[in-house]
Amino acid sequence: EDKVVQSPLSLVVHEGDTVTLNCSYEVTNFRSLLWYKQEKKAPTFLFMLTSSGIEKKSGRLSSILDKKELFSILNITATQTGDSAIYLCAVKGAQKLVFGQGTRLTINP
Amino acid sequence: NAGVTQTPKFRVLKTGQSMTLLCAQDMNHEYMYWYRQDPGMGLRLIHYSVGEGTTAKGEVPDGYNVSRLKKQNFLLGLESAAPSQTSVYFCASSTGSYSSTDTQYFGPGTRLTVL
Repeated sequence: EDKVVQSPLSLVVHEGDTVTLNCSYEVTNFRSLLWYKQEKKAPTFLFMLTSSGIEKKSGRLSSILDKKELFSILNITATQTGDSAIYLCAVKGAQKLVFGQGTRLTINP
Repeated sequence: NAGVTQTPKFRVLKTGQSMTLLCAQDMNHEYMYWYRQDPGMGLRLIHYSVGEGTTAKGEVPDGYNVSRLKKQNFLLGLESAAPSQTSVYFCASSTGSYSSTDTQYFGPGTRLTVL
């Protein structure tokens, strides 16, 4: 059975800290791994990763994939209160996305 | 260009009532999906469609039915609502799953409460 596991499930840090969110997976016919940010409503797309070792970067966010060890990390540096959200990891198999439980990140001022 | 829209945004049902959630997309996407999101559970796939006139079961299909009569619309039906179906429902669409670079675009969600 396809499975995506995120850790930690919840994280509270102070503004300015750096955080690392983890995503491990067991999915047949792996095609890609996606990270989403979910605030109050629908998830919004952050990154798609298909190749090992190639870092994707967008401002203070970055992500990398390890297809040998079957995991990905999402880093956020110099966190701001606007980074508070649920971060979802999803892995695309043959036809569907399988989502992890999400990490709820809270940034305190 | 509205993207993915969902109606209604909120709904309260009594146990045993029926209702239909409507999802519409204007991106000419082939694939459409219905998810439910419960606290601590992430997003779970209910049903999905790989094209007009086709549907398939996802991870948690029981108690739901779907139809894709038109490419741009994907309907989710609850024939006899149960309190366990209280959740936030998200619709999504994508160009097609065989592309490794395909990503899903989500609607704003429908918050359903079943009393």
